[in-house]
Amino acid sequence: GAVVSQHPSRVICKSGTSVKIECRSLDFQATTMFWYRQFPKQSLMLMATSNEGSKATYEQGVEKDKFLINHASLTLSTLTVTSAHPEDSSFYICSARNLAGGYDFGPGTRLTVL
Amino acid sequence: AQSVSQHNHHVILSEAASLELGCNYSYGGTVNLFWYVQYPGQHLQLLLKYFSGDPLVKGIKGFEAEFIKSKFSFNLRKPSVQWSDTAEYFCAVNAGTGGFKTIFGAGTRLFVKA
Repeated sequence: GAVVSQHPSRVICKSGTSVKIECRSLDFQATTMFWYRQFPKQSLMLMATSNEGSKATYEQGVEKDKFLINHASLTLSTLTVTSAHPEDSSFYICSARNLAGGYDFGPGTRLTVL
Repeated sequence: AQSVSQHNHHVILSEAASLELGCNYSYGGTVNLFWYVQYPGQHLQLLLKYFSGDPLVKGIKGFEAEFIKSKFSFNLRKPSVQWSDTAEYFCAVNAGTGGFKTIFGAGTRLFVKA
């Protein structure tokens, strides 16, 4: 079946550095991918919609200059957390709409900012 | 704007008990509805989805959900739960008219006692 992968699965970085997270659809093309953030014991919060070949659409309250999204190809979207701070520590999950109309989710990336 | 509410945050059941998890959404137009499950330490998996047609949808692992348009509800049911059903369950909705942005409910943690 359709699979979405994320890399890395875990990352620890120092405050002030930038971190890039990749989301790939492995066996289907995804013109649209979504980035979510999940805090411990909470639901997924949609951050932005990543559109291939165009600018991402950010949800209200999400800083687009802090969370840079690039969807350069039909199988890859990247989320870059710029100048990361401890409050950015979270679990970041991407998803892509598959050919059956459902959504496949990546395994998530746990970001820890020291 | 779309929103999703799940009524129960925590549910504890004994094995063989019946399960019903409530989900209500607010959106006046056509919707696609989903239930996802997240087992401990794993990523989200699709249980079932409703796009159109028969409002009673059957999913994997014996789960089903009923779409009641007049009540804006999409409750998840299982007649007899197992210990292995212990997980977090998320209801999700997106606008069915081409808006693929999926909004999640807060989730319900189910614990099944053996």
